[in-house]
Amino acid sequence: NAGVTQTPKFQVLKTGQSMTLQCAQDMNHEYMSWYRQDPGMGLRLIHYSVGAGITDQGEVPNGYNVSRSTTEDFPLRLLSAAPSQTSVYFCASSNYRVSSYNSPLHFGNGTRLTVT
Amino acid sequence: AQTVTQSQPEMSVQEAETVTLSCTYDTSESDYYLFWYKQPPSRQMILVIRQEAYKQQNATENRFSVNFQKAAKSFSLKISDSQLGDAAMYFCAYRSATGNQFYFGTGTSLTVIP
Repeated sequence: NAGVTQTPKFQVLKTGQSMTLQCAQDMNHEYMSWYRQDPGMGLRLIHYSVGAGITDQGEVPNGYNVSRSTTEDFPLRLLSAAPSQTSVYFCASSNYRVSSYNSPLHFGNGTRLTVT
Repeated sequence: AQTVTQSQPEMSVQEAETVTLSCTYDTSESDYYLFWYKQPPSRQMILVIRQEAYKQQNATENRFSVNFQKAAKSFSLKISDSQLGDAAMYFCAYRSATGNQFYFGTGTSLTVIP
């Protein structure tokens, strides 16, 4: 059971370049999300989804796009990378049934992104 | 939006001793879910323990236990018999009653001194 698979592990971009961070989960979780982790700021929610075809913004959505065409996949797109987007990115998933709200987030291993 | 506060950026503990990490949160909801995660240098996020707000009994997982004070909106993590492998960043997290958002604190970096 792979859990949450996130790729790549490391990425260096130049300002203005675009890229997609991939995230896939095999636990049939309805809920998927993207976080960025910056020193001293904890994890901040970028976007989330509660099912295929449904996405919503989190705390820091600007500069990022997401889509959810299948239950398994939730890619994060950086449209025009900026140095302020240098961070560690985590994809995470969870159950999303009322009876399962005590379910934790299951995390991928993170992507360290550097924008120069 | 709910806020989660971890007021101790850094903590240290002697090996085999006990340490308590603090977490407070602000919410108007009566039902919610609380979690502690551990992030070792490998960057992996590992669930340590969870607590449902409607349960009065404090959760326990081996050497890890919580002190959940609902009225005070406090959710501290106690690590007993600390081990070198406990050294990590610890995050407190809150899941709303609607289930669609998790809120994280800024983390506490725990050092275990041999």
